[in-house]
Amino acid sequence: DQQVKQNSPSLSVQEGRISILNCDYTNSMFDYFLWYKKYPAEGPTFLISISSIKDKNEDGRFTVFLNKSAKHLSLHIVPSQPGDSAVYFCAASGGGSQGNLIFGKGTKLSVKP
Amino acid sequence: AAGVIQSPRHLIKEKRETATLKCYPIPRHDTVYWYQQGPGQDPQFLISFYEKMQSDKGSIPDRFSAQQFSDYHSELNMSSLELGDSALYFCASSRRGGSYNEQFFGPGTRLTVL
Repeated sequence: DQQVKQNSPSLSVQEGRISILNCDYTNSMFDYFLWYKKYPAEGPTFLISISSIKDKNEDGRFTVFLNKSAKHLSLHIVPSQPGDSAVYFCAASGGGSQGNLIFGKGTKLSVKP
Repeated sequence: AAGVIQSPRHLIKEKRETATLKCYPIPRHDTVYWYQQGPGQDPQFLISFYEKMQSDKGSIPDRFSAQQFSDYHSELNMSSLELGDSALYFCASSRRGGSYNEQFFGPGTRLTVL
């Protein structure tokens, strides 16, 4: 049973527009959420995280929103750039920032020039 | 900045052989995690260590074992390899304490079992 779900396997956006990647989770014990970006043949690269006590965290072009009541989080990238094209994994932890991560299956983002 | 180092990057083994994967965490990181990512799959947590002690265990087969050494590097030992063990194996490290301790991943070891 997939506890972290990324229902869109792929997303295509135009350069300069906003990319919105969505993630849903089922386990209410999750209290820490992260987004990772992965290029082929490389390890996941940490992008941004959010604790369950917050509903928004922003870092440059990346913003993560958390809706605990809906068990939903989203990653906004604005403006999108061609270099953002990669697979984005949503991950959750039930042990705060120390616990192992449960990953979604990823969304492949393509940003077209 | 120093990153997580994994060796080897690629490994080819025959069925029933053994393999050892190594992970060198970021300096001053005290926690190491191992993940397995099969083709087209999401990374699956295997096992983690904090201060050289096993701290959590996921879907790691009994044929696999791991440990963390005094210098905080970790090794994943895999025996009686099966075709289904072919995957990318990622190591991640983090440092406990502070408000946000994200896990930083290495480049992975691609294991192919023939």
